[in-house]
Amino acid sequence: DIQMTQSPASLSASLGETVTIECLASEDIYSNLAWYQQKPGKSPQLLIYYANSLNDGVPSRFSGSGSGTQYSLKINSLQSEDVSIYFCQQNYDSPWTFGGGTKLELK
Amino acid sequence: QVTLKESGPGILQPSQTLSLTCTFSGFSLSTYGMGVGWIRQPSGKGLEWLANIWWDDDKYYNPSLKNRLTISKDTSNNQAFLKITNVDTADTATYYCARILQLTGSFFDYWGQGVMVTVSS
Repeated sequence: DIQMTQSPASLSASLGETVTIECLASEDIYSNLAWYQQKPGKSPQLLIYYANSLNDGVPSRFSGSGSGTQYSLKINSLQSEDVSIYFCQQNYDSPWTFGGGTKLELK
Repeated sequence: QVTLKESGPGILQPSQTLSLTCTFSGFSLSTYGMGVGWIRQPSGKGLEWLANIWWDDDKYYNPSLKNRLTISKDTSNNQAFLKITNVDTADTATYYCARILQLTGSFFDYWGQGVMVTVSS
């Protein structure tokens, strides 16, 4: 199975700050990576697919980058509504696997 | 407008079979490239992919659950189903169904609200 390791596990940032979350795959996943946002008590929502494609309706302050085994999610100008848990997921190989999540809180 | 909604028994006892239903609208599982997946999340923990079913009835399972999973669909009624046999307390989780679209990389682009399932004696 491909292991997805997210860092950090938790993060505290101020409004307006830029935040970066990392996801490391245990082998090359050729950009077959998505990022999801899960707000408290809600189901996950797709933010980014194919590593850097913004899903419809997602604010442009979210961006994704990376290749090979290393990927990142960047949030520019942090807003209060961005408080969530963020997960990465690979679908390059079965079983599809998720990272452990990064909990983003406001400082 | 794409929507999905899961339904299930709420609570069941160890060794029983868990039957989940995903009722969706706004797309058809008979359309080329369309799929539905099941994902679960124990309370306060991460996400685990369970199974996918595709428009052509192709099915994929997470081998970690060995032979306990069966996914199926009813295209005419816009439903997908997941059965998990011989449940135990480790199967206690919120279960989600989600749409997958091959055209945009086969990621989970729409999710249901989730259904909580508790396994307890």
